[in-house]
Amino acid sequence: GNSVTQMEGPVTLSEEAFLTINCTYTATGYPSLFWYVQYPGEGLQLLLKATKADDKGSNKGFEATYRKETTSFHLEKGSVQVSDSAVYFCALRGNTDKLIFGTGTRLQVFP
Amino acid sequence: EAQVTQNPRYLITVTGKKLTVTCSQNMNHEYMSWYRQDPGLGLRQIYYSMNVEVTDKGDVPEGYKVSRKEKRNFPLILESPSPNQTSLYFCASSLTPANTEAFFGQGTRLTVV
Repeated sequence: GNSVTQMEGPVTLSEEAFLTINCTYTATGYPSLFWYVQYPGEGLQLLLKATKADDKGSNKGFEATYRKETTSFHLEKGSVQVSDSAVYFCALRGNTDKLIFGTGTRLQVFP
Repeated sequence: EAQVTQNPRYLITVTGKKLTVTCSQNMNHEYMSWYRQDPGLGLRQIYYSMNVEVTDKGDVPEGYKVSRKEKRNFPLILESPSPNQTSLYFCASSLTPANTEAFFGQGTRLTVV
């Protein structure tokens, strides 16, 4: 069945450091891929998405490219801020239309 | 403001005492679902609803019930809560099942003692 694997956290960075959070997936067909972010005490919010191979999703300085050849959708940001501290979830929506989430990666950014 | 509202935000209850967590959305979305979030397991779908009076089981439905009598409301019912249902619960909605963006409520932290 469809599944998402993302790196375990926490990821701890200093402000202005480069961020990568790895995400790989297993799916039949051509799923849509997403990154959701959960700030402390809040629900999940859509951060970015890509619906076909080679698409790049971007928002708030974050980017992720849909790589079908490596079945990956890694999240990157060139310069993180303290306000980016949150839990990040990679997810896919395949042919069943159900959203399938990874286990989440906690990012902690220190000044 | 477009939103999904869950109540209560926090709940502590005892084993066996029936409870309901409410969920309401104001976006006229057809598709609604409930998830539970547990450490190391991510979000797992409990139940979903494609439209009024249409509900179906997700991945972890045991011990839960839902109803969809109106489009905007999708309550989660625990008839006889047990400690293994202690978790963080999220309601979500989207325009259609295939619609790419799901909107989430703020979550309900449930503790069953």
